Amino acid sequence: AQRVTQPEKLLSVFKGAPVELKCNYSYSGSPELFWYVQYSRQRLQLLLRHISRESIKGFTADLNKGETSFHLKKPFAQEEDSAMYYCALRPQGGSEKLVFGKGTKLTVNP
Amino acid sequence: KAGVTQTPRYLIKTRGQQVTLSCSPISGHRSVSWYQQTPGQGLQFLFEYFSETQRNKGNFPGRFSGRQFSNSRSEMNVSTLELGDSALYLCASSLAPGPYQPQHFGDGTRLSIL
Repeated sequence: AQRVTQPEKLLSVFKGAPVELKCNYSYSGSPELFWYVQYSRQRLQLLLRHISRESIKGFTADLNKGETSFHLKKPFAQEEDSAMYYCALRPQGGSEKLVFGKGTKLTVNP
Repeated sequence: KAGVTQTPRYLIKTRGQQVTLSCSPISGHRSVSWYQQTPGQGLQFLFEYFSETQRNKGNFPGRFSGRQFSNSRSEMNVSTLELGDSALYLCASSLAPGPYQPQHFGDGTRLSIL
């Protein structure tokens, strides 16, 4: 079964505090993992993907195959990071199908 | 470059009717996927098209169908609408199927069934 679990529906932190959004997946092969973000009144957009191993807007995510996790981290949260974050998995095989988690709403308080 | 365009943005229908939603991918993108987003189920994959061929289909009843045209534009159709079909329908496009090709999403069509 292909499943993505984001255990926190809501996450609230203060500006300048570290933030970690958790994502665990269930998949027997080697998937591609993504984080998508949706800011208020904007469309869903790609934040980062594990194959790029890049930092976008200060966020990083490391794929841990042993723990089947792909947690999103930022050392110092900013108010403009407040948004809905979705973790997604794309199975092997060339399909474009994405399996999404239910999302975590991050609120960064001043 | 214009993003993924979905029309209409909002639709209100009644049970039993049918509806057609349209998606124009980013210029040059040939792969189109559709998703249904509801508060209860979240984002769920509907189907995927490339070169006018359906490559993959999610776990939805046959009332949900789609197609892709030679210019890569795609439509999805839902027949015999049910109350539970009320949702935001999202379209995503990418250059082609396969790894390393990120998907770009449209704003969606919000369908309300009365």
